[in-house]
Amino acid sequence: SYELTQPPSVSVSPGQTATISCSGDKLDEAYVYWYHQKPGQSPVLVIYQDTRRPSGIPERFSGSNSGNTATLTISGTQSTDEGDYYCQAWDTSTYVVFGGGTKLTVL
Amino acid sequence: QVVLQESGPGLVKASQTLSLTCGVSGGSINSGNYYWSWIRQPAGKGLEWIGRIYASGYTNYTPSLKSRVILSLDASKNQFYLKLTSVTAADTAVYYCARGRGSAPGTSPSRFYYYYMDVWGKGTTVTVSS
Repeated sequence: SYELTQPPSVSVSPGQTATISCSGDKLDEAYVYWYHQKPGQSPVLVIYQDTRRPSGIPERFSGSNSGNTATLTISGTQSTDEGDYYCQAWDTSTYVVFGGGTKLTVL
Repeated sequence: QVVLQESGPGLVKASQTLSLTCGVSGGSINSGNYYWSWIRQPAGKGLEWIGRIYASGYTNYTPSLKSRVILSLDASKNQFYLKLTSVTAADTAVYYCARGRGSAPGTSPSRFYYYYMDVWGKGTTVTVSS
């Protein structure tokens, strides 16, 4: 089955840039999506189709996908950006695949 | 603005069937090219996609649960449903319903095939007891 690998945790200082990676075999042959989940809340889509931001998502969120790695970049990170981030892709056998999640800490 | 709301028993006995409903408001379950998905999340763990259903009844299930899952929908009630049979403690989780956007059913996979969930319910906790 297809797997997506994310680092368990990432730390960043307020105002700095946070990068969260998502790795999978030939990942750039599929679109990647990113969700943000705060404790006790449901996930929120922040990036779709590799680089696109849904309405209402701040411009500081951006995404890229090349080779075996997709990256979520948060510029000028704020305390409200803390939480868990999940990448997601579509696989022909497994259908929807999620990464294991990355806990972002802003300190 | 579409809002999704999960409902159903919070406690299910092992070996029995878990049944959940997702009510859709602010939009018709039949309108637009939308799928309707279920996702679950055990406490302290990551997200697991369960499956999706299209308004036509077209379904996909994650392979690991396919033998125990049935998704259905009732357009007249603007609701869709999850049934998970023969539950065990491993099925204890928060269950989310979500609206999905994706390539039309039957579209051949390619670099441009897409599927993602853009609207999520708040989730409902289901505990399987022995």
